[in-house]
Amino acid sequence: AQKVTQAQTEISVVEKEDVTLDCVYETRDTTYYLFWYKQPPSGELVFLIRRNSFDEQNEISGRYSWNFQKSTSSFNFTITASQVVDSAVYFCALSGANAGNMLTFGGGTRLMVKP
Amino acid sequence: SAVISQKPSRDICQRGTSLTIQCQVDSQVTMMFWYRQQPGQSLTLIATANQGSEATYESGFVIDKFPISRPNLTFSTLTVSNMSPEDSSIYLCSVWASGSGQYFGPGTRLLVL
Repeated sequence: AQKVTQAQTEISVVEKEDVTLDCVYETRDTTYYLFWYKQPPSGELVFLIRRNSFDEQNEISGRYSWNFQKSTSSFNFTITASQVVDSAVYFCALSGANAGNMLTFGGGTRLMVKP
Repeated sequence: SAVISQKPSRDICQRGTSLTIQCQVDSQVTMMFWYRQQPGQSLTLIATANQGSEATYESGFVIDKFPISRPNLTFSTLTVSNMSPEDSSIYLCSVWASGSGQYFGPGTRLLVL
């Protein structure tokens, strides 16, 4: 069975602060993919990143960065210099190679960035 | 990536009626998925729809309640049957785009009165 845990249900920061969203996962698959999605108030689900289990390199994309630690089964997401437009619910998700590409989602973290 | 559209974008329905949601993809894909997001909750997979075969339903979801069609490689429908207020949710279709990731449609917001 697969499981994704996002322990932080809500985070509130002031604009320009850095913020890290935690994601811990469980899977028996040796090959799997990890994802982060953003869901702004409008409701659509915006794809942010996919990470293969064999690639533990951290990734940076503008103000976004991701830290994949296989040893601790974590895939954390950091937003640097947060902005009000970053306010959204962020979901971490897992897809195992043997799960037919279906996604198991974490509970989501609601990020509120205040001006 | 894949561009996905859904119809309708939102609807308000009466208890006991049925609603069919359409999902259209701009490229041919083998696997399509239907998810439900209840208010304030995360996403839960309803079923996987492969072209040419019956949909595979997750625990807690049955074909009589959520019949799915997959007539070709770019289109699928999900019907929410005999609706009750508990069916009020966002319904999202998604596809796996080989080599890149899993993408979601804009969702259908359903309110059942």
